[in-house]
Amino acid sequence: EAAVTQSPRNKVAVTGGKVTLSCNQTNNHNNMYWYRQDTGHGLRLIHYSYGAGSTEKGDIPDGYKASRPSQENFSLILELATPSQTSVYFCASGAGQPHSGNTLYFGEGSRLIVV
Amino acid sequence: GQQVQQSPTSLVLQEGENAELQCNFSTSLNSMQWFYQRPGGSLVSVFYNPSGTKQSGRLTSTTVIKERRSSLHISSSQITDSGTYLCAMDYNQGKLIFGQGTKLSIKP
Repeated sequence: EAAVTQSPRNKVAVTGGKVTLSCNQTNNHNNMYWYRQDTGHGLRLIHYSYGAGSTEKGDIPDGYKASRPSQENFSLILELATPSQTSVYFCASGAGQPHSGNTLYFGEGSRLIVV
Repeated sequence: GQQVQQSPTSLVLQEGENAELQCNFSTSLNSMQWFYQRPGGSLVSVFYNPSGTKQSGRLTSTTVIKERRSSLHISSSQITDSGTYLCAMDYNQGKLIFGQGTKLSIKP
């Protein structure tokens, strides 16, 4: 079974502070993704990566950075957290190849509250 | 922009009844997936279905790419089927656009 683990699972941050959400996958998947889920908006793609050392902007990248230092790890970084970034963040991995789809495996989610 | 519309938004059924969930896409897509999410929980892939019909136990997924729609049929529903079902279209190399979800409640 594919395994994607996220940390922290819950976080309260202050406005203007730095937040790092971490994701680790043991599936040896090339692709990793960060989504946020909000009521009324569903899940939206923030950043993604096709392999170690690469990161790409998703549909809502503003205010977020990403880092993929290795095949297994993908981090989402909020340099200056704002209350609008209060959300549940999901990391996912997939083995997809270019021009083909792939089943995504999601982590348990990280609930972030920015006060 | 690209959109995914799911219907119904919510569905309440008695245990044993069948459920039909629909998903419509605004643009062409590479493939689509159905996910299940428990309240406050993670997402689990139910079907990866680029086209045609797939069945797994009581669940059946049918995707018609030309008509830009997909459906998820749950037969003989059980209380443990309760949760939110999300469809997502793969529009480019594994990047997904999700629908808003259908909240399914199965009553005893």
